[in-house]
Amino acid sequence: DTAVSQTPKYLVTQMGNDKSIKCEQNLGHDTMYWYKQDSKKFLKIMFSYNNKELIINETVPNRFSPKSPDKAHLNLHINSLELGDSAVYFCASSPDAFSGNTIYFGEGSWLTVV
Amino acid sequence: AQSVTQLDSHVSVSEGTPVLLRCNYSSSYSPSLFWYVQHPNKGLQLLLKYTSAATLVKGINGFEAEFKKSETSFHLTKPSAHMSDAAEYFCVVRPPNFGNEKLTFGTGTRLTIIP
Repeated sequence: DTAVSQTPKYLVTQMGNDKSIKCEQNLGHDTMYWYKQDSKKFLKIMFSYNNKELIINETVPNRFSPKSPDKAHLNLHINSLELGDSAVYFCASSPDAFSGNTIYFGEGSWLTVV
Repeated sequence: AQSVTQLDSHVSVSEGTPVLLRCNYSSSYSPSLFWYVQHPNKGLQLLLKYTSAATLVKGINGFEAEFKKSETSFHLTKPSAHMSDAAEYFCVVRPPNFGNEKLTFGTGTRLTIIP
């Protein structure tokens, strides 16, 4: 009964491929996020969705396309993978987008592009 | 603009001795401050948070942190380290009246516990 779950946990793929990472939260939260953690452990927000609507889109290549079929799910699709996309991707959720409530993270998806 | 600096990238302490992980922040206003812990191959877990209430904040697993506005610091402490404390720790800042899209993460401090 993990609160924020993401799959797959590990993914190794070749350059140029397209891949997706799925995320689901069972906390009843309205807001979900994708973060990227690089090789130096630096964590940066990529996207934020509130009730299925995109509210934050940081400077991310348009090869990255999030999709939220409902407020409990936020999937990340990546086209034409590049070596620099290798990172850990964290999904997260919070009760809402605006009051700054605690954010809950998934366990991460380790993406390696070779 | 806001930023957070974790002064040590790596801290090693012996089991049973005190832990001190240092964090300084820069913010135009009184921010909210957080400490998160990341165990190997795991997600980030909230340890504690400061949101303008008591300046000494107690968190999970015996950790606490003190907000010192005059020093712009929010150092994390624990009286006695346990082997299970070995992990990466992140100090995080958020400006007042903003949501989580404005979280700024520090670069992390790796805590190693020596048996």
